Amino acid sequence: SAVISQKPSRDICQRGTSLTIQCQVDSQVTMMFWYRQQPGQSLTLIATANQGSEATYESGFVIDKFPISRPNLTFSTLTVSNMSPEDSSIYLCSAGGQGARGEQYFGPGTRLTVT
Amino acid sequence: AQKITQTQPGMFVQEKEAVTLDCTYDTSDPSYGLFWYKQPSSGEMIFLIYQGSYDQQNATEGRYSLNFQKARKSANLVISASQLGDSAMYFCAMREAVGGGYNKLIFGAGTRLAVHP
Repeated sequence: SAVISQKPSRDICQRGTSLTIQCQVDSQVTMMFWYRQQPGQSLTLIATANQGSEATYESGFVIDKFPISRPNLTFSTLTVSNMSPEDSSIYLCSAGGQGARGEQYFGPGTRLTVT
Repeated sequence: AQKITQTQPGMFVQEKEAVTLDCTYDTSDPSYGLFWYKQPSSGEMIFLIYQGSYDQQNATEGRYSLNFQKARKSANLVISASQLGDSAMYFCAMREAVGGGYNKLIFGAGTRLAVHP
């Protein structure tokens, strides 16, 4: 299993600003995933990030709002742009999803509050 | 489209007792995998147990076991000898192929478990 860290662990931001969340994996992985968990809700996939190609976004999520970078096999960033209070959520990155089982291992999450 | 349903928003159990968390799923794919994750109040997602659709036996991992009933499309998590540290949100999830041999996860709504002393 991979060990994943995220920065920042939490932040309080003003509406209209942007926040970049960093995700670091302790081993090389091809695919990384970004999820959003709104308060009291389940996890929803934002996008999958394959090293060396553009991220693939799920329905309802767009690159202008959630740009993702994947510069190498151990690192990815998610930016939440032009934030509104509705963006207040936990943002989690994960790695894995391959092999016979396809389990994913998650970072500790970033708790974002937009005021 | 694949779907995961968890119908129990909240459950409580006495310490040292067993508890079952329900999960039903819907898929047309004959090959699928089901997962359970635990999310403590700190927010991280902890992988607990996996069940493959072709696995002959129900999965077990320590105090966690999976009651897999394929015909009913259910994959209930059983936690034996509950501990106070088991208090958390529990999510059932199913993998869905995204191409290239990789899978994303589709999550259920979750069940909040409270273990009482």
